[in-house]
Amino acid sequence: EAGVAQSPRYKIIEKRQSVAFWCNPISGHATLYWYQQILGQGPKLLIQFQNNGVVDDSQLPKDRFSAERLKGVDSTLKIQPAKLEDSAVYLCASSSGTAVGTQYFGPGTRLLVL
Amino acid sequence: DAKTTQPPSMDCAEGRAANLPCNHSTISGNEYVYWYRQIHSQGPQYIIHGLKNNETNEMASLIITEDRKSSTLILPHATLRDTAVYYCIVRVSGAGSYQLTFGKGTKLSVIP
Repeated sequence: EAGVAQSPRYKIIEKRQSVAFWCNPISGHATLYWYQQILGQGPKLLIQFQNNGVVDDSQLPKDRFSAERLKGVDSTLKIQPAKLEDSAVYLCASSSGTAVGTQYFGPGTRLLVL
Repeated sequence: DAKTTQPPSMDCAEGRAANLPCNHSTISGNEYVYWYRQIHSQGPQYIIHGLKNNETNEMASLIITEDRKSSTLILPHATLRDTAVYYCIVRVSGAGSYQLTFGKGTKLSVIP
């Protein structure tokens, strides 16, 4: 079974530029999550999708971050414009929605904003 | 979800058992204890979870105290590949996709 795929793995941009991350979840997983992980901290949930609908985006900085999940499969997370404090690893995870609710994580995209 | 407290770091000799503690004194009756780990430059990986009884799988054992206020993750024979940050998370389980709230975890270093 293929895992969660993310691209790119690394990205370096200047502040005020825009950037987009892509995630392909495990086949058949209805729930998709985006997390932000700042160095030295645990991952923090940004947004949760159930199929192509948003379940929770309360911690997403909506003035600069946006995310979509077209057709309930792949998802993109965008930052526009980026700030220095957005430097972090962006993790995508998916879940089948069973009782255990195990989340499977991708390798992440490491973003550096200069 | 209940808050958890973990030591920031621990060392363990290769081949010995690694015992990682977690305090969750405000846990509710319907909340489970989950453990994930994150190896350097990888995403978090599910290890095990439990409610009241001790649990064991191919990766680890989970010991939950009778009052459920604390638990211990046991890696029976630690290897260098077990070096990672280990997260203890308490959350409600059941049908649906509930969120995970990560703390800073415990950085386990397995020493040769």
